[in-house]
Amino acid sequence: DGGITQSPKYLFRKEGQNVTLSCEQNLNHDAMYWYRQDPGQGLRLIYYSQIVNDFQKGDIAEGYSVSREKKESFPLTVTSAQKNPTAFYLCASSIGRGNNSPLHFGNGTRLTVT
Amino acid sequence: ELKVEQNPLFLSMQEGKNYTIYCNYSTTSDRLYWYRQDPGKSLESLFVLLSNGAVKQEGRLMASLDTKARLSTLHITAAVHDLSATYFCAVDPGVQGAQKLVFGQGTRLTINP
Repeated sequence: DGGITQSPKYLFRKEGQNVTLSCEQNLNHDAMYWYRQDPGQGLRLIYYSQIVNDFQKGDIAEGYSVSREKKESFPLTVTSAQKNPTAFYLCASSIGRGNNSPLHFGNGTRLTVT
Repeated sequence: ELKVEQNPLFLSMQEGKNYTIYCNYSTTSDRLYWYRQDPGKSLESLFVLLSNGAVKQEGRLMASLDTKARLSTLHITAAVHDLSATYFCAVDPGVQGAQKLVFGQGTRLTINP
């Protein structure tokens, strides 16, 4: 079955450490996205990529970094510069530019930084 | 800057009743999406609305879009407990072909027996 796999499901880190969240898709989608969700709030866009080797900042990119070396993979690194990293992180993908189909979401990674 | 507002943010209702969730947005768009999220889970796509006057229905849920009023509604008919979840609307501002969806805050719906 095609889908988006995020790992791990839960992640605990100490303050000051960088951490990388994995996102893999086998839907053959061109575009991939990272969103952050805080309790009781909507989703906010961190980074997105419309094509391999290219990515763009979203609305809250500070303290985060991404790479898109392969079509299937879009890992997100939460750096020590991110002031409030504890959140639920959701990766999504879509067919790509100009398409109106809905985003497909992974099951999320819940990151807790203490 | 596109802003998307949902109301109400919390809704507690009894089984069998009807209710409507509203989604207002601040700039022109003709692409709006509704998603459902169960606690601690991912988002599931419910409806894609792509033109003024679009109406989609699935079971007890019906969504509509009025692009002139910049308003979408999600109507629940004869609610059942299984529909308890958080519902999000998301608007695509159509920037450079990327689907940079802007989400509302979500409406947490609780349906009581």
